[in-house]
Amino acid sequence: AQKITQTQPGMFVQEKEAVTLDCTYDTSDPSYGLFWYKQPSSGEMIFLIYQGSYDQQNATEGRYSLNFQKARKSANLVISASQLGDSAMYFCAMREPTGTASKLTFGTGTRLQVTL
Amino acid sequence: NAGVTQTPKFQVLKTGQSMTLQCAQDMNHEYMSWYRQDPGMGLRLIHYSVGAGITDQGEVPNGYNVSRSTTEDFPLRLLSAAPSQTSVYFCASSYGRTGIYGYTFGSGTRLTVV
Repeated sequence: AQKITQTQPGMFVQEKEAVTLDCTYDTSDPSYGLFWYKQPSSGEMIFLIYQGSYDQQNATEGRYSLNFQKARKSANLVISASQLGDSAMYFCAMREPTGTASKLTFGTGTRLQVTL
Repeated sequence: NAGVTQTPKFQVLKTGQSMTLQCAQDMNHEYMSWYRQDPGMGLRLIHYSVGAGITDQGEVPNGYNVSRSTTEDFPLRLLSAAPSQTSVYFCASSYGRTGIYGYTFGSGTRLTVV
């Protein structure tokens, strides 16, 4: 079974509108973390937002918020007031403990295109 | 600037050649890791290290070797390159072993094996 599932290969949104990128995850460990990264066409991985499994409130970072529904095992990224510069690939990732360390597992990504 | 530095940015290899992808960080991060990114498959973990002298395998370790002789450096070696290793490679580091402080990625190395 996939650890991280992103079911939207591509999304379009108009400038200034909000958009939700879906992410579901699968783990049996109670201690985990969820990340969202942005990858523009230039290729670098840019950290956007983080949610820990024990965090009581949904994470927010500027125009980014994470809709964390623990019982449903979903961690959707919400981008408010989309801008042309938001056009990029977006990856959801989960940090899980592995013995004394941790590992990060990525989804397959969603390509977001912001239009005028 | 502080961060994760990967070299080279681009490389073309012939099948069977060997090479080392370099990764260095100056943030005194304990945790370092290597990922490969292939189209439609996201990033997959190759190897990781939680400190000097300690390495472990990730999801796709075959064909790759690593070592960690210093905190700063974590090179990835391809002993005999194969076309299936054509990919973009990312190095990432994190403060502490648990990753709860987030991961910093390098800018990537685009490798083509012909």
